[in-house]
Parts: sequence; structure tokens; C-alpha cells
Amino acid sequence: AQSVAQPEDQVNVAEGNPLTVKCTYSVSGNPYLFWYVQYPNRGLQFLLKYITGDNLVKGSYGFEAEFNKSQTSFHLKKPSALVSDSALYFCAVRDGGSGNTPLVFGKGTRLSVIA
Amino acid sequence: NAGVMQNPRHLVRRRGQEARLRCSPMKGHSHVYWYRQLPEEGLKFMVYLQKENIIDESGMPKERFSAEFPKEGPSILRIQQVVRGDSAAYFCASSHAGREDYYNEQFFGPGTRLTVL
Repeated sequence: AQSVAQPEDQVNVAEGNPLTVKCTYSVSGNPYLFWYVQYPNRGLQFLLKYITGDNLVKGSYGFEAEFNKSQTSFHLKKPSALVSDSALYFCAVRDGGSGNTPLVFGKGTRLSVIA
Repeated sequence: NAGVMQNPRHLVRRRGQEARLRCSPMKGHSHVYWYRQLPEEGLKFMVYLQKENIIDESGMPKERFSAEFPKEGPSILRIQQVVRGDSAAYFCASSHAGREDYYNEQFFGPGTRLTVL
């Protein structure tokens, strides 16, 4: 069975500094990896995904994520944080080698960007 | 192009009543997924439907919960005889159907926040 771990409940960063939100995963087949962001009382917005190809994936709002197969990680990064990036971030994984399987989400990491 | 629509946004029910949550997918999407989010938790998959078919209901509680996605109209998640533990945010997502459809990104609605008194 697939699983996702987001080891940090909360990440604080100063505006303008780089940010990293960590995610590790476990799947039996090929991992299909996703990042979503949730603003208060809103649904989830898709940021980026890794299916195959380049390990560095670029997504919306200047975010990117690096797939690391040996470390089974898919950390979300941004070179320069904005106050408006403050939100709840979810990593999700699907096992690409097992036919139709649902997305499995991590518990989320709350990002707070301080001006 | 309107996004995924869910209604109502907030729903209050007393224990024992029924809750009906509706989801209209994005235009052109024929796949619908329901997730439940408990406070301070991530989203948990409940059910995956295509038009008139339940594809995967492995995350759905065996009793009191049901889902449908009829040929016409929205998808409905129905919770009978609600209990306090059903209080949560319920999110619907939709995706496009393609040849390798299952890894297409899912677009989420704003959610329905169910409160059971």
C-alpha cells in the first residue's frame, strides 16, 4: 500500500528567503507524485506533478519540486517566499504500477511566511 | 469555464438525519472523486466514480454512506443517520478522461463542511 509522510506540521520562513516543504513516499510501483495547496476554507489547488522525465518539476506560482528516487522524496521548493504563499500544502502519491488507484495524501504542512 | 462546484458549502444536521452533498464536475470531466478531511488531517479517499459507475469505493465506510454519479446531474454523496464523527469537510474532485487518465491532475471543489449536532 502506498503512503506519504510530511514530517513537518509547520514551516516558518521569512519573506524573500527560500522555502522547502518536505515529502517522502512509499509505493510498490512507479510513483506518480503531486503537490496541492489549500487556502483557508477553500478547496485544493493543483501546483505540480511528477510522472516521468526530468527530476526537477516546475509548477504554478514559482514552485518547483525535486523527485529523488533513492531517497523516495519529493520536496517542494521556492527560491523566494511570499507572504501570500502562506497556506496548507499537501503532498500526494499514486502507485502508477497498480492500475487505477486513488491519490493518497500526506497530513499537510502549514507554511507561514513572515513579512 | 466554471470549476468544480459543490453545494451546499455548509450543512448542519442533527444526529440521525440524512446529509446529501452534491458535486458538479468541471465541464468535460467525467471522473469524480470524493475525499473526506477531518480537522488537522489530510484528505482521505472515499470513492471514485465515472458516469453511472462506481470504479473504486475502497475508502467508503461500509454502512450509511453511498455515492452515485448519474448520467444526468451532479454526483451525490449521501450519508444516512449521521453521527457526530461524520463532521468533516467533504471535497469532490474531477478529472479529464484520457488514455492514461488516472494520473491526470484532479481539480478540487471548495468543499462541503458538514457539522453534526
